[in-house]
Amino acid sequence: GDSVTQMEGPVTLSEEAFLTINCTYTATGYPSLFWYVQYPGEGLQLLLKATKADDKGSNKGFEATYRKETTSFHLEKGSVQVSDSAVYFCALSRPRTGTYKYIFGTGTRLKVLA
Amino acid sequence: DVKVTQSSRYLVKRTGEKVFLECVQDMDHENMFWYRQDPGLGLRLIYFSYDVKMKEKGDIPEGYSVSREKKERFSLILESASTNQTSMYLCASSISHEQYFGPGTRLTVT
Repeated sequence: GDSVTQMEGPVTLSEEAFLTINCTYTATGYPSLFWYVQYPGEGLQLLLKATKADDKGSNKGFEATYRKETTSFHLEKGSVQVSDSAVYFCALSRPRTGTYKYIFGTGTRLKVLA
Repeated sequence: DVKVTQSSRYLVKRTGEKVFLECVQDMDHENMFWYRQDPGLGLRLIYFSYDVKMKEKGDIPEGYSVSREKKERFSLILESASTNQTSMYLCASSISHEQYFGPGTRLTVT
């Protein structure tokens, strides 16, 4: 069945460090891929998305490229800030009868130290 | 901007009580979802609805029911709350393949 696997956290970085959070997926067909971010005490917010192979999603300095050959969608940021501290979820969606099916990873907590 | 609101941010209920969690979206989305979020388990789908009065079970529907009488509102019902239903509950709506989430309700059952 469909699944999303992302790296275990927590990830602790110093401010201005380079961030990579790994995400791989298993799915039939051609899913869309997403990164969501959850700040403390809040719901999930869409961070970026990619809908087909080789697409690059980007937002707020974060980037991820849809790699079909390696079934991956790794999240990167060149220089993290304290305000990036949050939980990051990788997810996929694909069509199903009447709607879409969504599969989420278990989340990776990022802590950025000043 | 899409707005998804949930009736309570924090809720404390006693074992055996009937609990209602309300979710409202303002963007005329067809699809609405209820998830629970637990540490180490990520998001697990409880129920979803792709039209008014239509509902389908997700991955963990046991102990829950839902109601969707109007397009903008999707309610999650715990018929008889139990301590293992203590969790964060997230509502979402979607158009196409993107989901939009509410702020969540942290429910504690004592």
